[in-house]
Amino acid sequence: DGGITQSPKYLFRKEGQNVTLSCEQNLNHDAMYWYRQDPGQGLRLIYYSQIVNDFQKGDIAEGYSVSREKKESFPLTVTSAQKNPTAFYLCASSIERGQYQFFGPGTRLTVL
Amino acid sequence: KQEVTQIPAALSVPEGENLVLNCSFTDSAIYNLQWFRQDPGKGLTSLLLIQSSQREQTSGRLNASLDKSSGRSTLYIAASQPGDSATYLCAVIYTTDSWGKLQFGAGTQVVVTP
Repeated sequence: DGGITQSPKYLFRKEGQNVTLSCEQNLNHDAMYWYRQDPGQGLRLIYYSQIVNDFQKGDIAEGYSVSREKKESFPLTVTSAQKNPTAFYLCASSIERGQYQFFGPGTRLTVL
Repeated sequence: KQEVTQIPAALSVPEGENLVLNCSFTDSAIYNLQWFRQDPGKGLTSLLLIQSSQREQTSGRLNASLDKSSGRSTLYIAASQPGDSATYLCAVIYTTDSWGKLQFGAGTQVVVTP
């Protein structure tokens, strides 16, 4: 089945710790995105990538980093510099700009 | 500032009634508009995408209209069912975004009571 997978589903982080969220797609999509969702708010873009080895900052990139070494994979690292990381993180992909964005099931990150 | 607004934030209707969900955007220079459904604790499911040149899109019981001049889109769900209970999000890609960033509204939480 084609789709987007995210792991883990739940993640707990201690203060000062870096954690990495996984996002994999087998849709052969060029564009991939990371969004953050907070309760009662819409999604906000963290990073996006249009092609392998290229990525751009979104609206709230501070405290986050990404890599795009393979077309299928776009992992997100939440660093200790992110002061309020507790949120629901969603990965998405699209075949190209302006087309349907398909979303993964999300990772819920909680800081202990 | 380019914003997307969804009113009301929450809506409850009895089963069988038609649902009308509203989305407003501040800049008419949009590339397209997308409607999503989100179940609690889950990712987003794409429902409909309307290109800027279109006035509406339909899929089954769902119909979405687009009026760029007034900055509005409306999602109609006919003959609502308890399974339609979810949060509905609209998102816009503005033409100024060269890389397809979706600008989201905060969503409308819908409850359909049996």
